[in-house]
Amino acid sequence: KAGVTQTPRYLIKTRGQQVTLSCSPISGHRSVSWYQQTPGQGLQFLFEYFSETQRNKGNFPGRFSGRQFSNSRSEMNVSTLELGDSALYLCASSLAAGQGYNEQFFGPGTRLTVL
Amino acid sequence: AQTVTQSQPEMSVQEAETVTLSCTYDTSENNYYLFWYKQPPSRQMILVIRQEAYKQQNATENRFSVNFQKAAKSFSLKISDSQLGDTAMYFCAFRDYSSASKIIFGSGTRLSIRP
Repeated sequence: KAGVTQTPRYLIKTRGQQVTLSCSPISGHRSVSWYQQTPGQGLQFLFEYFSETQRNKGNFPGRFSGRQFSNSRSEMNVSTLELGDSALYLCASSLAAGQGYNEQFFGPGTRLTVL
Repeated sequence: AQTVTQSQPEMSVQEAETVTLSCTYDTSENNYYLFWYKQPPSRQMILVIRQEAYKQQNATENRFSVNFQKAAKSFSLKISDSQLGDTAMYFCAFRDYSSASKIIFGSGTRLSIRP
């Protein structure tokens, strides 16, 4: 079974631009979560989607948004990019959302550099 | 708000030695999960071991074991017979039982195994 895939793997943008990152979960997984990883702030939860609905949101400005499609693929968008948005963006998928344990499987990440 | 603290930014041990990574956390919840994740250089984050808070028995996965002290809110990872492939960033992480997929990560410990 293929793992979580993220595209693109690397991206370079300039300040003020917007960017869209894509995540394809493991087949059959319906929950997708996004995390931002930076040297200064570490790993921070962005948001989680389940059945095309945002179920949980971290403490990020409204410039960060996401969506999930009917096939469970997810995209996140960052508008008006700032230098501080340079980070590794990780996507993780799990079978379901809700109480109880569902292991999250992480993708390789998208390395975003904002110049 | 829950927090996870890893006080050892870097550690280095000789191959075949035993190493213990420390982690403390803070929460007012009674039901939760604790995890150790491994992120090898330029590779995907993978789950090493998990512990359910309601279980008193410490989790074990081959050479990896934890020392879970619920009252002290301590969750350390012991790696026995360390191998070169154990070189990675190790993240301690917390997930509330009811918060679906939102994982709170510590700042990480960079572990190097010397030949």
